[in-house]
Amino acid sequence: QKEVEQDPGPLSVPEGAIVSLNCTYSNSAFQYFMWYRQYSRKGPELLMYTYSSGNKEDGRFTAQVDKSSKYISLFIRDSQPSDSATYLCAMRSAGGFKTIFGAGTRLFVKA
Amino acid sequence: EAQVTQNPRYLITVTGKKLTVTCSQNMNHEYMSWYRQDPGLGLRQIYYSMNVEVTDKGDVPEGYKVSRKEKRNFPLILESPSPNQTSLYFCASSLFPGNNSPLHFGNGTRLTVT
Repeated sequence: QKEVEQDPGPLSVPEGAIVSLNCTYSNSAFQYFMWYRQYSRKGPELLMYTYSSGNKEDGRFTAQVDKSSKYISLFIRDSQPSDSATYLCAMRSAGGFKTIFGAGTRLFVKA
Repeated sequence: EAQVTQNPRYLITVTGKKLTVTCSQNMNHEYMSWYRQDPGLGLRQIYYSMNVEVTDKGDVPEGYKVSRKEKRNFPLILESPSPNQTSLYFCASSLFPGNNSPLHFGNGTRLTVT
């Protein structure tokens, strides 16, 4: 079993839809949770960064962490064609230096 | 502009011909790392470096070497490339090796070994 599981998709939605992307994990020591966005032929770029449980909002993006269920989510409101990319979840334990990545979910937002 | 720069972006080579992929960061980051990205497998860590002259193996180090002689540079060396090393490679860096220091990535090197 992988430490981090992420549905690879692809996920196709119409413009304006609310998108929900999710990851589950098995290591209860993970404390730092990240979402990266990766456009085609580019490196991953940090989108959201949260510590422990709870929600964090940044514009149209909301990251949620539920440590009791070992489940994290990224919500994208009013999705745009420019949001079409691969979204990678990532996590790290407190004091740890190794970041573990999910396989990524490919998202297509149709105009 | 703060960035991680990898070269080359694309590389096609033959089995056994030594190659080096360069990585340089201009953010004075202590931590640097190499990943390979393969479909369905995500990003897997090859090697990492906590600081100058300090390197260690990641999850998939076989067939790779690295060095960290200067803080800004972290080249990836394939002494004798094989077709199973065909992949998309990313260099990444962060200010410190853990906690509140997310990774910054380069734009990748697509390597094909025939």
